[in-house]
Amino acid sequence: QSALTQPASVSGSPGQSINISCTGTNSDVGGYNYVSWYQQHPGKAPKIIIYDVTYRPSGVSNRFSGSKSANTASLTISGLQAEDEADYYCSSYAYTSTLVFGTGTKVTVL
Amino acid sequence: QVQLQESGPGLVKPSETLSLTCTVSGYSISSGYYWGWIRQPPGKGLEWIGNIYYSGTTYYNPSLKSRVTISADTSKNQFSLKLISVTAADTAVYYCARVGFVEWSLDYWGQGTLVTASS
Repeated sequence: QSALTQPASVSGSPGQSINISCTGTNSDVGGYNYVSWYQQHPGKAPKIIIYDVTYRPSGVSNRFSGSKSANTASLTISGLQAEDEADYYCSSYAYTSTLVFGTGTKVTVL
Repeated sequence: QVQLQESGPGLVKPSETLSLTCTVSGYSISSGYYWGWIRQPPGKGLEWIGNIYYSGTTYYNPSLKSRVTISADTSKNQFSLKLISVTAADTAVYYCARVGFVEWSLDYWGQGTLVTASS
């Protein structure tokens, strides 16, 4: 069970849009529409921002959106704000009933 | 409002057993979700440990399966983690979370508790 691959860091200026990729295999990301994304601020527990590839939980800003193509899922943050500076993790349900996380991406707002 | 709270020793000696409990309030663990444990070593990423359904069905990370047991106590609305033969590599913040039954998304998390494996 290998971690999903994410870029270590992504940065952008306020108001810009950024994308974070999450690459797996056809045994996890590519095999199921069960990708979630989490935002984690320093010293805090992760918070879910996307589930089932594209769905936002109630209360999550519509500036966050998700998509998937083949074995790669993506998180887009539009209208980047200072409060978006955090670590972001993807996860996917995987074959043989396991859960795998991504390696994590640090988002910096310039 | 669903709330989860981890509890247990913050220091465990190498080769001994790590034991944590997650107390759930605002939702019955018997009501149709999985309940899971996740850990995060200092400065590193998230690692899934395992899930349990209230009936006792469990799923574990293959890399930890030989050392992990997750159990549930519906009378106390709690679930627990035991990790045997700990080493320094098991030092981490341990989180409990509610897990979606189908999609395994983690929608409610505890605040996390740091467990250090050291003599």
